[in-house]
Amino acid sequence: DADVTQTPRNRITKTGKRIMLECSQTKGHDRMYWYRQDPGLGLRLIYYSFDVKDINKGEISDGYSVSRQAQAKFSLSLESAIPNQTALYFCATSGTTGNQPQHFGDGTRLSIL
Amino acid sequence: AQSVTQPDIHITVSEGASLELRCNYSYGATPYLFWYVQSPGQGLQLLLKYFSGDTLVQGIKGFEAEFKRSQSSFNLRKPSVHWSDAAEYFCAAYSGYALNFGKGTSLLVTP
Repeated sequence: DADVTQTPRNRITKTGKRIMLECSQTKGHDRMYWYRQDPGLGLRLIYYSFDVKDINKGEISDGYSVSRQAQAKFSLSLESAIPNQTALYFCATSGTTGNQPQHFGDGTRLSIL
Repeated sequence: AQSVTQPDIHITVSEGASLELRCNYSYGATPYLFWYVQSPGQGLQLLLKYFSGDTLVQGIKGFEAEFKRSQSSFNLRKPSVHWSDAAEYFCAAYSGYALNFGKGTSLLVTP
């Protein structure tokens, strides 16, 4: 089984709908992240969480919210989806120091029509 | 502002040829540095990392990277490329709370 699992893997939805992307991990890491990947732009940080009670905005948090339900679960929500949120979304986890690499899920490809 | 730059958007190499992917960083101090690879439909896989010490770092799949403080660079190399190396490659630096990624270099391998 994958260490970092994202569901769904693909989703097509309409403008204005509320969407939730889920991430769960079995690595026992405290830190979890949500990134967005767009062609030619690399990965950009949406939100990050260092533990269940610690949630922080990243560089592109507008239009998104998150919930850290447990150490192992970190969900990303789009409250009212818009077409420019069409992207590939990645969840990642890491240990508690910066020299520990991040471990990524396989991504959720989201299309908003 | 802290940044990671990958100057080459696309690179094409012949199978068996050597490869070098460039990465430059702009940070006040030497950050923790990483190279990741993304195959189509997959997540990002760590190739190698640099924190301190020996400036030549060995990674998985035959990759290595050299840290050069004077050039603020962390270039990825492979002596002989295989067709399976075709993928997107990302350089990243730890920003203090998350990874700051370059925009990626897409590698195409020709027969």
